[in-house]
Amino acid sequence: AQTVTQSQPEMSVQEAETVTLSCTYDTSESDYYLFWYKQPPSRQMILVIRQEAYKQQNATENRFSVNFQKAAKSFSLKISDSQLGDAAMYFCAYRSGGTGTASKLTFGTGTRLQVTL
Amino acid sequence: DSGVTQTPKHLITATGQRVTLRCSPRSGDLSVYWYQQSLDQGLQFLIQYYNGEERAKGNILERFSAQQFPDLHSELNLSSLELGDSALYFCASSVGVRDEQYFGPGTRLTVT
Repeated sequence: AQTVTQSQPEMSVQEAETVTLSCTYDTSESDYYLFWYKQPPSRQMILVIRQEAYKQQNATENRFSVNFQKAAKSFSLKISDSQLGDAAMYFCAYRSGGTGTASKLTFGTGTRLQVTL
Repeated sequence: DSGVTQTPKHLITATGQRVTLRCSPRSGDLSVYWYQQSLDQGLQFLIQYYNGEERAKGNILERFSAQQFPDLHSELNLSSLELGDSALYFCASSVGVRDEQYFGPGTRLTVT
């Protein structure tokens, strides 16, 4: 079974600074997807960024980028120019990629990000 | 707004009771997923439907059941409720089984 580990329960960053959230995963599969979801105080789960395991290039979405290290099974999220609206719980998630496999998301325990002035 | 709707937003009920949570997927999405978010268990996958058929099951209790109807909306039925069933229940949908999942706002269930 796949597992996702987020070892940082809480992180803090000053507005306009950069912060990196860590995520490691364990799998024996070669075809999979990784995601970062954001959960603000409203509790809505918002997809931030996705990475396909077969792509070597790291995904980028505006101020959000990932550092995907497949051999190390590491998938960190970098938030640049942090804004107050970035304050939220961030979840790393894994999904199998094979057509015959379950497409459920397996989540880490989350990292709570605080953004200070 | 993800386009996924869930009703009700909040539900307070007593132990032993039965409730039904409803989810309408985004227009065009065929796959529906149910997840439970609780303080002790975190975010856990419960069950997935694709075009009306059950596709995958996770850590779903026997007291819980779900179905997806011909119009693609889905219902999650929780019966013989216990205090430990108090949680946030999310529905998510995707076009196909390999596409991004978009989450609804969740239903907050409180069992007293």
